[in-house]
Amino acid sequence: AQKVTQAQTEISVVEKEDVTLDCVYETRDTTYYLFWYKQPPSGELVFLIRRNSFDEQNEISGRYSWNFQKSTSSFNFTITASQVVDSAVYFCALSARIHFNKFYFGSGTKLNVKP
Amino acid sequence: DGGITQSPKYLFRKEGQNVTLSCEQNLNHDAMYWYRQDPGQGLRLIYYSQIVNDFQKGDIAEGYSVSREKKESFPLTVTSAQKNPTAFYLCASSSGEAKNIQYFGAGTRLSVL
Repeated sequence: AQKVTQAQTEISVVEKEDVTLDCVYETRDTTYYLFWYKQPPSGELVFLIRRNSFDEQNEISGRYSWNFQKSTSSFNFTITASQVVDSAVYFCALSARIHFNKFYFGSGTKLNVKP
Repeated sequence: DGGITQSPKYLFRKEGQNVTLSCEQNLNHDAMYWYRQDPGQGLRLIYYSQIVNDFQKGDIAEGYSVSREKKESFPLTVTSAQKNPTAFYLCASSSGEAKNIQYFGAGTRLSVL
């Protein structure tokens, strides 16, 4: 069975603070993909990143970075120097090779960045 | 512009009424999906379709129906059998490959009158 857990329901930070959103996943498949999506107040989910299970290299894109650790089944997302525009709900998701069309979403973490 | 269009943005349903949510994509994607999102919760899969004229139930299909007559279109009908339809509905599409990314529409917010 596949499962994604985002234990942080809501996080509030002040602008320019760094913040890390946690994501823990479960799967028995050795081939799988992990995703992060952003859902701003408008509602549409915006794709941020995809990683496959064979690539544990950390990735950085501007102020965003992702730390993938198979040993702890985690795929954490860090925003450096947060901005008000980062305020949104962030979802972590998993798809496994056994059924790659089926995405398993975490419950989301709501990030509030205050000026 | 390529993308996924959902309509309407807001929809109201009277008791006992069936309503249909539209989802159209021009990304030439094979696979399409419908999700339901309740406040403070993640996305739950209602139905998905990997190819035209074929679709499968997701985790919460009861009270919903779909069709996939065209590659571009995947409408969702919320039937009167769905007793708690108030939610935010999101449509997505993907290429259907193993490493596919799902892209989402802007959603339809359904409320019961």
